[in-house]
Amino acid sequence: NAGVTQTPKFQVLKTGQSMTLQCAQDMNHEYMSWYRQDPGMGLRLIHYSVGAGITDQGEVPNGYNVSRSTTEDFPLRLLSAAPSQTSVYFCASRRLLGGGADTQYFGPGTRLTVL
Amino acid sequence: AQSVTQLDSHVSVSEGTPVLLRCNYSSSYSPSLFWYVQHPNKGLQLLLKYTSAATLVKGINGFEAEFKKSETSFHLTKPSAHMSDAAEYFCVVSPRLRRGGADGLTFGKGTHLIIQP
Repeated sequence: NAGVTQTPKFQVLKTGQSMTLQCAQDMNHEYMSWYRQDPGMGLRLIHYSVGAGITDQGEVPNGYNVSRSTTEDFPLRLLSAAPSQTSVYFCASRRLLGGGADTQYFGPGTRLTVL
Repeated sequence: AQSVTQLDSHVSVSEGTPVLLRCNYSSSYSPSLFWYVQHPNKGLQLLLKYTSAATLVKGINGFEAEFKKSETSFHLTKPSAHMSDAAEYFCVVSPRLRRGGADGLTFGKGTHLIIQP
């Protein structure tokens, strides 16, 4: 299986533009999440989902929307891009419960630059 | 509440010498602890994890870590560094028991490992 996939790998936006970062996983994981990684910092949680139709905010949700219509997909939408959203974005998934539920699987990341 | 401190932002070692990446944590409950590695322009890969079994945890690529509750540490070691070990390493803490909701993962700021030929 492919694991966690993200598209695009790179993106440049102008301030005020909107876009959607795609994330998909083929491991039938209930839990999916989005993180951003900024220089000199660890990853910070943006939004997460414990299953289709259920989403909630993480540590830094402002300026981002998510939806979870299927188990496989968890897109992240930037409503009106700002330079402060320049970052590397990682999608992750894991089982919700049971053995191995503590192990996150990360996608390769999307590098976003907002001019 | 929980926090993670990676004591070194950069570590430089010669190829073939031991590696030590230091991590201290604080947690108000029994935590799970992880080390992830990130190679340049790549995603994060799990190296190893501690979830309450043996305190000495062996991971991939010859890495291991020891959970020391009395010192609240989870240092990562490898006996002999290889050039391919050059990467960013993250120590991560999370609550062991989850009841749903956010993961509660707290990431350290990372340690950049440099391998000198």
